[in-house]
Order: sequence, then structure tokens, then C-alpha cells
Amino acid sequence: ETGVTQTPRHLVMGMTNKKSLKCEQHLGHNAMYWYKQSAKKPLELMFVYSLEERVENNSVPSRFSPECPNSSHLFLHLHTLQPEDSALYLCASSQVQAPEQFFGPGTRLTVL
Amino acid sequence: GQSLEQPSEVTAVEGAIVQINCTYQTSGFYGLSWYQQHDGGAPTFLSYNGLDGLEETGRFSSFLSRSDSYGYLLLQELQMKDSASYFCAVRVRGFQKLVFGTGTRLLVSP
Repeated sequence: ETGVTQTPRHLVMGMTNKKSLKCEQHLGHNAMYWYKQSAKKPLELMFVYSLEERVENNSVPSRFSPECPNSSHLFLHLHTLQPEDSALYLCASSQVQAPEQFFGPGTRLTVL
Repeated sequence: GQSLEQPSEVTAVEGAIVQINCTYQTSGFYGLSWYQQHDGGAPTFLSYNGLDGLEETGRFSSFLSRSDSYGYLLLQELQMKDSASYFCAVRVRGFQKLVFGTGTRLLVSP
């Protein structure tokens, strides 16, 4: 157990649905991240929150909307997704300026 | 732009030594990290090189040459449980941004 939990672990949704992914870290970290992992592609950084402020938005489509209500929780709100958005979505946390990021187990998303 | 290259697959036998290379082209480079990911699992941090040279952590070592934009991960006394994907990642501007390579799948056989 890495101290970073994600729910749900699996999600199937239609293109018109709205859903949210949840991430929680129990490590006392002050930075949190969303990554997308697709088959045969590198992990892609989507968003970075540092001290609860969004500091990086890596050209992500607006159908993905992050929310960080406090330093322990991170959400990714999804709406009108496309089939190519099907992937593993990984959350991570770290101390600001520390090189080590701790990853959660991911949410396997399938968009029909 | 930023890009990293690493071999797609490496095979070895138990007890052997294997080296996984990573070359990168980035701007605002701060350091090179290595992560391990087993099938169906989360990436886990292995090592970080912020300066040139060798970092050793048990059976794993990592090396960085900033002048050559090159690093490697060295795995010694390979075990079956080392079969996994290994990713290099460069740490760029702002300290918190990681850019990952496509990963190297290591297969360890008896």
C-alpha cells in the first residue's frame, strides 16, 4: 500500500456521462498530480497542484476538470469524453520540490 | 520539446546484471528519476540523480551524465520479481514536472 488511494479502480462510461475520479493521499504531502497512461505511450502529466494551487495544466482538453479542495484530496471530473480518452488515470503525490512521487493504483477508464 | 529514449524490451536470466539506458532531450533539466511498474500496479520510485555520477541503492544503481544527456539504471543479481517495466523520467522546470520515457519491459527468466 503506497499511501495514495484512488476510487473507483475501474470505470466504464458513455460519451455523454459525467463522472468523477477521486484520489486521497495519507502521506502529508503538499503536491498532487494527475497522469494519463495509455498503451505504448509514456505517462502523460495532466495537472499539478502545489499547496492546493494548480501550477500546471499540460494542454489538457476542457472535458477534464481537476479539483483540489485540500492537500489530501484530488478529483478529476469527466464529461463528454471520447473513446480515445480510455486509459489508466494515475494520481500521485509528493512533497513540493522532492524528487520522489508516490503513485496510487490508478483508475482504469473505458469510454464507450 | 522534450523527448526521452529507452529500449522497449530487455531480457535476462536470474542472477545476471542488466543495464537500461535512457537518453533525453529537454530544456530546464533538473534531474533524472527511475520508476518501476509491475503489470497492473502503480509506478514506484527507484532512484534519482540530480548530479553527475552513480547512486547506489541495494541491488539497483543509477548513473547520470548531464553533458551527454544520458543515464542508466543498473540492476544486479536479477530476481524473477524484477520482471516489470522501468521508466526514466526527467525532472524539468518548476521541480515538480516529470516527463516520462516510454518504458523498458524487463523479462527475467529462470
